[in-house]
Amino acid sequence: QVQLQESGPGLVKPSQTLSLTCTVSGDSIASDDYYWSWIRQPAGKGLEWIGRIYARVSTNYNPSLESRVTISVDTSKNQFSLKLSSVTAADTAVYYCASADRNSDFYFQHWGQGILVTVSS
Amino acid sequence: DIVMTQSPDSLAVSLGERATINCKSSQSVSYSSNNKNYLAWYQQKPGQPPKVLLYWASTRESGVPDRFSGSGSGTDFTLTISSLQAEDVAVYYCQQYYNTPRTFGQGTKVEIK
Repeated sequence: QVQLQESGPGLVKPSQTLSLTCTVSGDSIASDDYYWSWIRQPAGKGLEWIGRIYARVSTNYNPSLESRVTISVDTSKNQFSLKLSSVTAADTAVYYCASADRNSDFYFQHWGQGILVTVSS
Repeated sequence: DIVMTQSPDSLAVSLGERATINCKSSQSVSYSSNNKNYLAWYQQKPGQPPKVLLYWASTRESGVPDRFSGSGSGTDFTLTISSLQAEDVAVYYCQQYYNTPRTFGQGTKVEIK
């Protein structure tokens, strides 16, 4: 059973880069069996898919954020990370990491608990 | 992007009664090659991450009560809670995994009448 846990700063200043990490347990991120995604949710609003990484280096990003997003994997720590640059107040949200099975089902089966990131000076 | 539109935005149902949520996609999320609908339904309670209820539009995730069912194909889908329980109060989202970017409906809030 895959388990995910987000970590990182809860407060980021405008124009800076938001950096979050998702630690994976229960499976190896190097196994290439999963899509590893980031999803965010502003308070009281819906879910927005940010992007994903799979096969260690392949990525897909939401075109609405693509110019500011980088997702990467650290196999030595069994983690994947999100970097979102030039943040504004509109990037304030709960950020979730989630996994989807690449081989069969593709839906988001496992989710982290989420981490609230506030963009404010 | 595939736009997912849910209706209604909210509904209030008496305990033990049926709740029905609709989800419409801006293009088909079904592949004719395998006859599968690339659509999932999630339940989100306050302060918690979403939890998958159904995938392939109608397959229940392990452990999900059988009062939750899904139907539909192509662009029109439905989530039905056959007999609403107090613990079903939540926001429900549909999501397509037909292509990227993955997209979600805006959510439907289910409350007790």
